[in-house]
Amino acid sequence: DAGITQSPRHKVTETGTPVTLRCHQTENHRYMYWYRQDPGHGLRLIHYSYGVKDTDKGEVSDGYSVSRSKTEDFLLTLESATSSQTSVYFCAIRQGQGRETQYFGPGTRLLVL
Amino acid sequence: GENVEQHPSTLSVQEGDSAVIKCTYSDSASNYFPWYKQELGKRPQLIIDIRSNVGEKKDQRIAVTLNKTAKHFSLHITETQPEDSAVYFCAALNAGNMLTFGGGTRLMVKP
Repeated sequence: DAGITQSPRHKVTETGTPVTLRCHQTENHRYMYWYRQDPGHGLRLIHYSYGVKDTDKGEVSDGYSVSRSKTEDFLLTLESATSSQTSVYFCAIRQGQGRETQYFGPGTRLLVL
Repeated sequence: GENVEQHPSTLSVQEGDSAVIKCTYSDSASNYFPWYKQELGKRPQLIIDIRSNVGEKKDQRIAVTLNKTAKHFSLHITETQPEDSAVYFCAALNAGNMLTFGGGTRLMVKP
């Protein structure tokens, strides 16, 4: 499982509230990613990080922000949750340059009411 | 940006038959193509991958083929078993090292 954990695993929140999801890895991987998974859309990249404090936007970044203050943690924040952000969120890691394979965490199921 | 189309969206086969899932991509600079299997409620797990300098790769009952000229790649599963039932995703890695995923194929293997 590439030493990836996500917390919380399930969350129910209300529209307009801030939400932070955490991805934690124990194997010192440089690259970390946040995806969302919705029926019919596969997995879509929200943000990614290529090192501590180095992040960039993905395909569907609007309404989301990220932070990476240490190698092992990559945080995804929904500033003001909306019902359209109800989804399953997966974190992934990549082992490094020249090693393209991404491994996924167990996922967080988020419901925004 | 990269666009990956995956077909079919659902596939039903009898146990023991073969299953083929096809993907096309748009960015000719894409050079790495993984396939993931996702069981219900679980994380996507890599089952096989192929790089652009290779035309075919096999791993037991699973094989992937790549046609760079036509920009398409396919997953082949032979002698399907009920435990092969899952959703399968293809993906393409572009020059910016970002993966773009297809929409997924739900494979059902009937005993």
